[in-house]
Amino acid sequence: GQQLNQSPQSMFIQEGEDVSMNCTSSSIFNTWLWYKQDPGEGPVLLIALYKAGELTSNGRLTAQFGITRKDSFLNISASIPSDVGIYFCAGQLYQFYFGTGTSLTVIP
Amino acid sequence: GAGVSQSPSNKVTEKGKDVELRCDPISGHTALYWYRQSLGQGLEFLIYFQGNSAPDKSGLPSDRFSAERTGGSVSTLTIQRTQQEDSAVYLCASSFPGDNYNEQFFGPGTRLTVL
Repeated sequence: GQQLNQSPQSMFIQEGEDVSMNCTSSSIFNTWLWYKQDPGEGPVLLIALYKAGELTSNGRLTAQFGITRKDSFLNISASIPSDVGIYFCAGQLYQFYFGTGTSLTVIP
Repeated sequence: GAGVSQSPSNKVTEKGKDVELRCDPISGHTALYWYRQSLGQGLEFLIYFQGNSAPDKSGLPSDRFSAERTGGSVSTLTIQRTQQEDSAVYLCASSFPGDNYNEQFFGPGTRLTVL
């Protein structure tokens, strides 16, 4: 199956700092999605991207669909404690393929 | 309901027993997906339904796993003769594939523990 490489695997940051994480793939996708998962919950969709080069923001979150269609990044600005969780990227061609996740810890 | 629901939320069973996990997708969503998430791991794709048919069963780990969907809505994932390595959170998601968007929405998951 398709492999999505997500990095970093984990991050420990101070409250107020900016965060950046990315996903790369060996194959192109039609859609890139970013999810956040809190403990004991299912992943919740944060941002969806549908066109190569697209840059989309949702509050403090910004994500981009790479021009090659093989990568995407997610930035979180001015992190707050409730940003803690695991962030997953997902690429969609015919079905969805998920990255391995980035665990984010925000230190107050 | 407004979102994807799954039941039970938790299931503890003994090795060798069969279990059934249920997923109610968002009304009108034609696509339904099952994933497995082991502790601290990413999402492992199991099976995908479009309507009642499953064009992609490639992720089912063994013949002990099966799934069905009826009426283009509710889906059941069945694990026969459960093993301890089946312990995981089983997540269901649904989507409405369209020309301009295709977003998956997840349920809260069923946490399965096989003793």
